Amino acid sequence: EVQLVESGGGLVQPGGSLRLSCAASGFTFSSFWMNWVRQAPGKGLEWVANIKQDGSEKYYVDSVKGRFTVSRDNAKNSLYLQMNSLRAEDTALYYCARESRRWLHAKGVLNYFDYWGQGTLVTVSS
Amino acid sequence: DIQMTQSPSSLSASVGDRVTITCRASQSISEYLNWYQQKPGKAPKLLIYAASSLQSGVPSRFSGSGSGTDFTLTINSLQPEDFATYYCQQSYSTPYTFGQGTKLEIK
Repeated sequence: EVQLVESGGGLVQPGGSLRLSCAASGFTFSSFWMNWVRQAPGKGLEWVANIKQDGSEKYYVDSVKGRFTVSRDNAKNSLYLQMNSLRAEDTALYYCARESRRWLHAKGVLNYFDYWGQGTLVTVSS
Repeated sequence: DIQMTQSPSSLSASVGDRVTITCRASQSISEYLNWYQQKPGKAPKLLIYAASSLQSGVPSRFSGSGSGTDFTLTINSLQPEDFATYYCQQSYSTPYTFGQGTKLEIK
């Protein structure tokens, strides 16, 4: 059974740092792109970052570039999000999500988030 | 960045109804369009990927269609467990973006 379990959330002051973790099990972690998606209280979903299987490619939403760093440790089946210079607007529930990529006839390779964790809450407030 | 616009933002329907939710992309995204369902306090759940492919385990009353910029999610014969918020998402290019969500409520 695929499982993704986030941890590391909490209350932090503006300008502070936090490191989120996502422990994966039930699948070959090193074979999948992984993502972080967040949801501010009462709001919609916002994609934050993703990382390629070997960590060689990483992409971020503009609002976190230069402040957040996504990384992974395939030996530990873990995904991380280092968050620095936190702002009030970073307050959200942070989900990790597995990205599957599938070749579909006449369509090519398409990608989607097929498994999600339950999220870890980050609150940035003084 | 590709903007995703869903309509309506909210919708009231009854058990047994057929409902359609629309998602429009600000540029062509081929069929790189996914639909998710989210219930209160829960993580999103993948329903439809690649615009029209039903995720394993998802009831067949859910269907998706479209390509390019215009997409639809249709739910036939609404069941009580379908009342939730639905999001479309483009996976054509990063930053991957979601629609603002459509809250489906019981009439």
